[in-house]
Amino acid sequence: EVQLVESGGGLIQPGGSLRLSCAASGFTVSSNYMSWVRQAPGKGLEWVSVIYSGGSTYYADSVKGRFTISRDNSKNTLYLQMNSLRAEDTAVYYCAALYYYDSSDPRANDFDYWGQGTLVTVSS
Amino acid sequence: DIQMTQSPSSLSASVGDRVTITCRASQSISSYLNWYQQKPGKAPKLLIYAASSLQSGVPSRFSGSGSGTDFTLTISSLQPEDFATYYCQQSYSTPDTFGQGTRLEIK
Repeated sequence: EVQLVESGGGLIQPGGSLRLSCAASGFTVSSNYMSWVRQAPGKGLEWVSVIYSGGSTYYADSVKGRFTISRDNSKNTLYLQMNSLRAEDTAVYYCAALYYYDSSDPRANDFDYWGQGTLVTVSS
Repeated sequence: DIQMTQSPSSLSASVGDRVTITCRASQSISSYLNWYQQKPGKAPKLLIYAASSLQSGVPSRFSGSGSGTDFTLTISSLQPEDFATYYCQQSYSTPDTFGQGTRLEIK
């Protein structure tokens, strides 16, 4: 059974840093495309970042230059390092695993597995 | 970035009703469209992928259609457990983008 468990959220002051973790079981993080998706209180879903199996990374414009996605293959864990945090970064952060329903088509994917989410609150 | 617009933003319906939610993309995304259901305090759950393919384990009362820029999610006969928020998401290009959500409430 695939399981994703996030941790590392909490209350942090504006300008501060936080590192989120997503521990995976039942599949291999390094062999899959993994994303972070966030949801501000009472709002919709916002894609934040992705790391591909080959190591390429991409970010939403709203976090580019401040957030870094990475993984530790030995721990089978995904990370999101968040620096220069702002009030508008307040959200529940989910890690999600992309599944390719057509392995020959790079666009043919969906978010098949999600963690339970971890709340990040940026406030003084 | 591709913008995804859902309508309506909220909807009141009764158990047994047939409900349709619409999602429109700002440019053609072929059939690279997924639908998710989210209940309060929970992570989203995949319902439909590739615009019309039912995810394993999802009840057959859920169906999806469309291609290009216009898509629909239909629930043929609402059940009490279907009252939730629904999101569409495109995987045509990075960044993946979601619709703003449609909240389905009990009438």
